Amino acid sequence: ETGVTQSPTHLIKTRGQQVTLRCSSQSGHNTVSWYQQALGQGPQFIFQYYREEENGRGNFPPRFSGLQFPNYSSELNVNALELDDSALYLCASSLRPTQAREQYFGPGTRLTVT
Amino acid sequence: AQKITQTQPGMFVQEKEAVTLDCTYDTSDPSYGLFWYKQPSSGEMIFLIYQGSYDQQNATEGRYSLNFQKARKSANLVISASQLGDSAMYFCAMRGVSGGGADGLTFGKGTHLIIQP
Repeated sequence: ETGVTQSPTHLIKTRGQQVTLRCSSQSGHNTVSWYQQALGQGPQFIFQYYREEENGRGNFPPRFSGLQFPNYSSELNVNALELDDSALYLCASSLRPTQAREQYFGPGTRLTVT
Repeated sequence: AQKITQTQPGMFVQEKEAVTLDCTYDTSDPSYGLFWYKQPSSGEMIFLIYQGSYDQQNATEGRYSLNFQKARKSANLVISASQLGDSAMYFCAMRGVSGGGADGLTFGKGTHLIIQP
């Protein structure tokens, strides 16, 4: 048990809709990263938040956005959903950005876009 | 840009045998870290082992060891005395250090390991 939780567990949305996924980091962890894992693939880095600001981003369009709150929770928002957005979305938290070795993943949210 | 290559989509291994999962990488970053994660069917990524690019010795964590060959750019995971509970997806990943911690992990496509009784 890593102490990182995500909600909801599963979600079904329609193409064009918007979705918000939530992550609760381990207490004291002020860095959170989000990953997208398509079926049969490895996770891909979406972005990272440190002290409530985005400080790193992968190759994802602006319709993927996030928020991080002072209570160690964070959100991933995806606008204008596309079928290819169907994936497992993982969040990972750590004490600080340079401490990747101590990065703990949550169980993920499985998003299906129809 | 960083790249991880895992060439074994799936492996079948007899229980109690040792298993080696292959991983090669490519990066222009002079300093980097290499990771192995286990992902059971539940979806959670479980950290197994870490190797820094300047570490002199190969990393070990219990039954897991990392065979790091820097010149060959390989970072193979060795699991000794495999157990039925080791059946899962295994991902090799890396991260450059020069980005100040703002870069995410780059993952390979994974190896599906099945331990047979």
